[in-house]
Amino acid sequence: QSVLTQPPSASGTPGQRVTISCSGGTSNIGSNYVFWYHHVPGAAPKLLIYKNNRRPSGVPDRFSGSKSGTSASLAISGLRSEDEADYYCASWDDSLGGWFFGGGTKLTVL
Amino acid sequence: QVQLQESGPGLVKPSQTLSLTCTVSGDSISSPDYFWTWIRHHPGKGLEWVGYIYYSGTTYYNPSIKSRVTISLDTSKTQFSLKMTSVTAADTAVYYCARGGYDSGCDFWGQGTLVTVSS
Repeated sequence: QSVLTQPPSASGTPGQRVTISCSGGTSNIGSNYVFWYHHVPGAAPKLLIYKNNRRPSGVPDRFSGSKSGTSASLAISGLRSEDEADYYCASWDDSLGGWFFGGGTKLTVL
Repeated sequence: QVQLQESGPGLVKPSQTLSLTCTVSGDSISSPDYFWTWIRHHPGKGLEWVGYIYYSGTTYYNPSIKSRVTISLDTSKTQFSLKMTSVTAADTAVYYCARGGYDSGCDFWGQGTLVTVSS
């Protein structure tokens, strides 16, 4: 069982807005930054969001992150077919002394 | 532009030691701003953090595999390495090396290398 909990799947149609949640605890999300990654199996993961809500250069503003208490979420607006991938949240855990990823959410664009 | 490249055997026998190297270009692994990390992806499963090393040599490992893992730095070769002992089929995965920062996350990644544990 993952330290961070994500829904296993999400879906939307082109142009829609989709939100992916990430639930943790006081020792991880509650006291540390949250990061979001985009991963197509077989390719290198890509950093989408850092420090809870900041986008690296080159990441479209269709992607946004937020954090509240011990939960975080990733929102993707104007959904495109190329957004179909696995999305992971990640955070440091003070109690366990390490980085942990959520279980991943497979996004399907219908 | 920072680039990372994993190298090492693609097949390891059960109970043996997995050894991988990551060669870094475009950045100094002696920088205090970043750590150098290994992350793996099991087929059909999620990403799993293996561990990381700071420029100082300080290491942090995933508690679930800590007893079997060693990460080391070779600053003269701008490389860092992963050794995992007593491997089983459960260690079969694509292994990625990446540059990370507490604030910045893992911003540059290698392309990944598949390691299969099988006799």
